[in-house]
This record gives sequence, structure tokens and C-alpha cells, in this order.
Amino acid sequence: DTEVTQTPKHLVMGMTNKKSLKCEQHMGHRAMYWYKQKAKKPPELMFVYSYEKLSINESVPSRFSPECPNSSLLNLHLHALQPEDSALYLCASSQRQPGHPNEKLFFGSGTQLSVL
Amino acid sequence: GENVEQHPSTLSVQEGDSAVIKCTYSDSASNYFPWYKQELGKRPQLIIDIRSNVGEKKDQRIAVTLNKTAKHFSLHITETQPEDSAVYFCAASDFTGTASKLTFGTGTRLQVTL
Repeated sequence: DTEVTQTPKHLVMGMTNKKSLKCEQHMGHRAMYWYKQKAKKPPELMFVYSYEKLSINESVPSRFSPECPNSSLLNLHLHALQPEDSALYLCASSQRQPGHPNEKLFFGSGTQLSVL
Repeated sequence: GENVEQHPSTLSVQEGDSAVIKCTYSDSASNYFPWYKQELGKRPQLIIDIRSNVGEKKDQRIAVTLNKTAKHFSLHITETQPEDSAVYFCAASDFTGTASKLTFGTGTRLQVTL
């Protein structure tokens, strides 16, 4: 399995709702990422998990809450979102290459989120 | 933090011509430079990457060059085809010690016309 799988593909939620985005990979990658991408813009890093521990939080509002239950799964819990949070949410994973600290990121297809 | 600038924002070429996209980065600590292709409604896909200890890398019709001194790197696509039409993002990576932190350029929309 060489893919990063995200569910759901589309999500519409109200500002008072609570929802979760899910991401799964079975490539044995030990780093997982959440990116946010607005239309016609580049992806922006939100969170990084390394070995199931939160490694980077790019000052993301607390209405976004990440969770990494195990090395294959990554969740993003959403609560009290604003309309401006509507975007494509991309999950990615990576694995350090032997002898090289940098890691190739592989992206999922994303969840297109609309907040009403 | 890292800042990556990308030019041009749009590029239209005729099928068979070459396309060149240029990026500059600000952080001299960045040492890994991938390029991603994103078709409309799809995921970004890694098409080629280069590490800071290499000046040039080629994969069939795609090549990337890196000038560390000037903090420039470029994507070259030769013999363009309609299926090359997409948005291309350059990125610079700063390894934090636990994970890579990619900063993306603003993107180039490439249109290959018949």
C-alpha cells in the first residue's frame, strides 16, 4: 500500500458542529502532517507528528485539535469552526531516507471542508 | 522562518516547447527542495526533488537546478505535453531534528496549448 487515505472526501458543517477528519497510511512512515490549502494558494503547514508525538504546531487555533492514535492514523478534530476555515485539508506522511535527514512527503487526496 | 518566492504565477506554452519555473528561498539552512504538481481537485504529487549537495538532477523530461549561493532553484520541463498542464509548487525544507518542515512557493499555473 503506497497511499495516504483521507476520509471523508467532502464535509459540510455548521459553526456549532463537531466533526473529525481521518488519515491513514500503511507505508510505515513515522511522520505525519496536516496541511490546509485555500483555493489557488499553496498548502500551509498546520501540525506535524513524529513517532506519534506532536512535533510542530504552527500556532493553529484551538478549534483544530490533532490526534495521532498510532503510527498509521492521524485525526483532526474540528469544533466551533468559522466560515474562513473552509479549505482543502491535506494529510501527508514521510519517512526519513537512510543517510539523509530530509523526507519525501506523500499527500492524501484531502478533505474539502465547507463551514456554513 | 523560511520564505519561498516563485515565478511566474502563470505560464502558457505551446506543446513541445520548454517551460521554466523559478524559485528563491531565504533560509540558508534549507537543504532539500522538492517540486510538486497539483492537478485541479487532486493531491499534490512529488515530481522531482534535489538536495543541497547536488547542483542538478534530471528525470526524463524534467530537470531541477539549484544554486545554493544565490538561493535559487528552477524546474525545467522539456517537450511539454497537454498532460503537463497543472499547478506546480516549489518548496524548501528545513529539517527540525524530528521532522521536515516544508514551506511552499505560491505556485505556477502551467497551461500547455495544442
